[in-house]
Amino acid sequence: DAMVIQNPRYQVTQFGKPVTLSCSQTLNHNVMYWYQQKSSQAPKLLFHYYDKDFNNEADTPDNFQSRRPNTSFCFLDIRSPGLGDAAMYLCATSRRVSYNEQFFGPGTRLTVL
Amino acid sequence: TQLLEQSPQFLSIQEGENLTVYCNSSSVFSSLQWYRQEPGEGPVLLVTVVTGGEVKKLKRLTFQFGDARKDSSLHITAAQPGDTGLYLCAGNPQTGANNLFFGTGTRLTVIP
Repeated sequence: DAMVIQNPRYQVTQFGKPVTLSCSQTLNHNVMYWYQQKSSQAPKLLFHYYDKDFNNEADTPDNFQSRRPNTSFCFLDIRSPGLGDAAMYLCATSRRVSYNEQFFGPGTRLTVL
Repeated sequence: TQLLEQSPQFLSIQEGENLTVYCNSSSVFSSLQWYRQEPGEGPVLLVTVVTGGEVKKLKRLTFQFGDARKDSSLHITAAQPGDTGLYLCAGNPQTGANNLFFGTGTRLTVIP
């Protein structure tokens, strides 16, 4: 089945230790998104790629970076995780940006010790 | 400023009861989606509405888009424990913004 896959499902890191979360998709969608979601809150968009074009949200900290080496894969790099970065990180895809039905992966829950 | 406000924020009902969740905005949306998210999982798309006044049904769930495309509602008939989850509305503003704006969410608990 076509889907959005996130690995790992659970990630534990130490304060200040870089961590990378990965996302892959078999939908062949043009757009890939990274969201941060804290408990009982709506997902908060960090950035998205339209093909190779990177679009950063204005309030996304510099600590968060992303890479999209090809259509199928997208990575979220957190350079120096703080305790406040503990959250669920969701990857999503859509065929295009406007009128975009987004399809989400299962998420990676990040714990920062 | 929150573009999409959902109400209620929390809802706990008995199995078999009916309920309605509202998603309101002062902005016009070109389309609006409803998602359900279960604990520890990503949101799952339930429906997309595009036309003002549109009504879509998904088994016991009925979705309506307001005539002015500024609001939407989700009605569940005879709620089941499997309906428990976080319900999120999300929309594309007509202003041309490219991103999907999420509502504040409604956490539903259906008690057996």
